[in-house]
Amino acid sequence: SQQGEEDPQALSIQEGENATMNCSYKTSINNLQWYRQNSGRGLVHLILIRSNEREKHSGRLRVTLDTSKKSSSLLITASRAADTASYFCATASNDYKLSFGAGTTVTVRA
Amino acid sequence: DAGVTQSPTHLIKTRGQHVTLRCSPISGHKSVSWYQQVLGQGPQFIFQYYEKEERGRGNFPDRFSARQFPNYSSELNVNALLLGDSALYLCASSLLSAGGLNTGELFFGEGSRLTVL
Repeated sequence: SQQGEEDPQALSIQEGENATMNCSYKTSINNLQWYRQNSGRGLVHLILIRSNEREKHSGRLRVTLDTSKKSSSLLITASRAADTASYFCATASNDYKLSFGAGTTVTVRA
Repeated sequence: DAGVTQSPTHLIKTRGQHVTLRCSPISGHKSVSWYQQVLGQGPQFIFQYYEKEERGRGNFPDRFSARQFPNYSSELNVNALLLGDSALYLCASSLLSAGGLNTGELFFGEGSRLTVL
């Protein structure tokens, strides 16, 4: 079973627009991470936010974390065609694994 | 520097056969994890190894086994293959935090895509 659930499952936007996706999880966490995957290839780490942080930025990415609601959001600003990919949230707790959601597929139209 | 490398990239097996997948971590990384990603789903944790010892195991049957070698490379073995084992198998390496908990960033390879017919 998967710890996180992303919403929406799929998202189609115009180049230049912002893309927002959400992640909900069930148990307490040490941190939450976002990864990108292009066409069934390997996952690439985007950003990590610790449980005591509320917001984090990295380039065009902005991540928020609300531990009281057990939810996180990833915002990609000024999207580009190269941002077309699947995005996964993953939670890290006091064990040896990351627990991934099912992902949000983002399509950026030129 | 080379990233995480996995081999083979693609393979086709028939039911009942066994398969061995290989992974070389980033130089300096002592931890290797294996994940299974079925089409349309997120990766599912299979194993984590650190310093040649199994540190964690996911909810997978005993047909799945792994090991880590002195040079920190790793093998994932799956016996008696089933159709449902068809998936992308991802290896990831990492620098473990103190205490050995795998809570930091994972560096993934491109995966081995297994098709079971």
